[in-house]
Amino acid sequence: DVKVTQSSRYLVKRTGEKVFLECVQDMDHENMFWYRQDPGLGLRLIYFSYDVKMKEKGDIPEGYSVSREKKERFSLILESASTNQTSMYLCALGDYNEQFFGPGTRLTVL
Amino acid sequence: GEDVEQSLFLSVREGDSSVINCTYTDSSSTYLYWYKQEPGAGLQLLTYIFSNMDMKQDQRLTVLLNKKDKHLSLRIADTQTGDSAIYFCAENMRNDYKLSFGAGTTVTVRA
Repeated sequence: DVKVTQSSRYLVKRTGEKVFLECVQDMDHENMFWYRQDPGLGLRLIYFSYDVKMKEKGDIPEGYSVSREKKERFSLILESASTNQTSMYLCALGDYNEQFFGPGTRLTVL
Repeated sequence: GEDVEQSLFLSVREGDSSVINCTYTDSSSTYLYWYKQEPGAGLQLLTYIFSNMDMKQDQRLTVLLNKKDKHLSLRIADTQTGDSAIYFCAENMRNDYKLSFGAGTTVTVRA
C-alpha cells in the first residue's frame, strides 16, 4: 500500500509566523504535489515537484514556497502566515493514472 | 477549479441510485477521474476513464463520458450509507499529470 504521511493533522499558528508542512512518501515516486482545499472551491494546486530540487508553480503559489531536498520529502513553507491561508492542505504523489493523497493538515492562522 | 464544474450537494435515499454530474473544458484531457473523500480523510481514487471511451463500469459504479458536450457522470447503484462523502471530478489539463479538480459534490445518504 502507498503511504503518504503528513506531519500534522491539525495546526494552529499566529499571523506572521513561518510555517512548515511536511509530506513524506514511501513509494520512491518522482512527482509530488501540494494542494489546498476550501469549501466550494475544491482542490487548487499550489506547487508541485517532479524530481529532487525541481519545482514548478501551480495555480496559486503566492505566499508559499516549497523544498524538495530528498526524493521522499516535499515541504510546503508559508514564509509569513496570514489568516487567508487558513485551509486544509493536502499532499499527493503520482502521475497520469492515479494520485495518492495524504490525510491532510488543517491549518488555522489566528 | 474554474475549469471543472459540478453541483455542490446531492441527497439520496439508501438503496436508490446516485448520479453525480460534471462538466469540464479541456478537450485535450486524456484522463477524467472521480475521487472520493470520506470525512477526515484524504482523497481516494474511485475510478477513471480514458477520453476515447464512452462508458466504464466497475461493480456499483458506472462512468459515462460525453466528449461532445464535455460532460462526465458517475452513477452509484444501490447507494449505501458508506457512500456518504464528497466526490470530486478531475481532469488532467493539457494532457499533463497535473490535475484540475471540481469543487466537489457532497453526497448525503438518508435512511
